[in-house]
Amino acid sequence: GQSLEQPSEVTAVEGAIVQINCTYQTSGFYGLSWYQQHDGGAPTFLSYNALDGLEETGRFSSFLSRSDSYGYLLLQELQMKDSASYFCAVRPIYNQGGKLIFGQGTELSVKP
Amino acid sequence: EAGVTQFPSHSVIEKGQTVTLRCDPISGHDNLYWYRRVMGKEIKFLLHFVKESKQDESGMPNNRFLAERTGGTYSTLKVQPAELEDSGVYFCASSQDSRRASYNEQFFGPGTRLTVL
Repeated sequence: GQSLEQPSEVTAVEGAIVQINCTYQTSGFYGLSWYQQHDGGAPTFLSYNALDGLEETGRFSSFLSRSDSYGYLLLQELQMKDSASYFCAVRPIYNQGGKLIFGQGTELSVKP
Repeated sequence: EAGVTQFPSHSVIEKGQTVTLRCDPISGHDNLYWYRRVMGKEIKFLLHFVKESKQDESGMPNNRFLAERTGGTYSTLKVQPAELEDSGVYFCASSQDSRRASYNEQFFGPGTRLTVL
């Protein structure tokens, strides 16, 4: 089976750096994705790690270590608009249809 | 380019009633997915269409849920009769090609928030 674990809530202050962890148990997957969802909005793609290591996209970076069954999303120079829910997700190798398996989401609150 | 749209944005119905949710994917996307998020838990896969065919419906909770995608364009998800545990946010997503092993981004709609009383 597949399961992904994330912290349910994280709070940080504006300008700070925050790391949202994602640990998983899975029999195999193509890569680890991160999605952002503002309240009432559509989940939007942030980042993808096909290989181990760090991927950087502006203020956001994502990391994957398959040997540790672990990944994280790093948000730098936090802004109020970063307050949202963040989901990690994987696409299982056993399923060629492309469905995503999500974690339960981490609600990030950015305080002034 | 228009994104994925869903209708209605909110629906409040009573237990035992029927509700139909609609999803319009991005034009040209053959793959259409339905997901659901219940009570702040994970977003869970329901089913996957390739054009008008159901590729994978392993996530459908039970036979009260019926999804269709006539003509391979928009899709509907009907819940009949609705139960209290069906409350949640129903998301639709679309993508171009799911066959490649490399990453294939799914574009999500804003969801339909269903409340069953």
